[in-house]
Amino acid sequence: ETVLTQYPATLSLSPGERASLSCKASQSITTYLAWYQQKPGQAPRLLIYDASNRATDIPARFSGSGSGTDFTLTISSLEPEDFAVYYCQQRGTWPLTFGGGTRVEI
Amino acid sequence: QVQLQESGPGLVKPSETLSLSCTVSGDSISNRVYYWGWIRQPPGKGLEWIGSIYPSGTTYYNPSLKSRVTVSLDTSTNTLSLRLSSVAATDTAVYYCARAREGPSPTGYSYYGMDVWGQGTMVTVSS
Repeated sequence: ETVLTQYPATLSLSPGERASLSCKASQSITTYLAWYQQKPGQAPRLLIYDASNRATDIPARFSGSGSGTDFTLTISSLEPEDFAVYYCQQRGTWPLTFGGGTRVEI
Repeated sequence: QVQLQESGPGLVKPSETLSLSCTVSGDSISNRVYYWGWIRQPPGKGLEWIGSIYPSGTTYYNPSLKSRVTVSLDTSTNTLSLRLSSVAATDTAVYYCARAREGPSPTGYSYYGMDVWGQGTMVTVSS
């Protein structure tokens, strides 16, 4: 099983600041990684697929990078609506796994 | 526009079987471009993948749940189903269904993620 470790667990930032969220895989998953955003009471929303591609209607301030075992989600300038929990998820190997999440808070 | 809607009992007794359905509208579950899955989230915790099924019928399950889980497709009703047997309090969670895609791409092969999710349904296991 591929374990995904996300850090930090919590990121305290202000609107307008840059956020960098990390996701480390226990083995290589090439670029088969997705990022999701989840707000309270809502289902997760796909942000990034294949490590670096923005999903439909996702603003350009969200970007993803990385391959192999190390991945990063960057939010270039935080908007008030970006404060949420972010999860990475891999499809490099079965079973599918999610990271534990990073909470981005004010 | 593709929409997924979960349904099922909100309360299940310990040791019984949890059964949920996910009705898909706006797309056919037989569309071989996609596959379908279930994910759950205990209150206040992270996301846990339960299992996935391809239109061919091939299934993959979380090893920690494999002995208790069955995921299936009903093409006549365009519905995805989940059965989880011998439930306990630790199975209390919001259960989501989702659509996923992967396949050939200009870069070789790509994972396009879980792009459509249902709103989720809360299931409580309690006597």
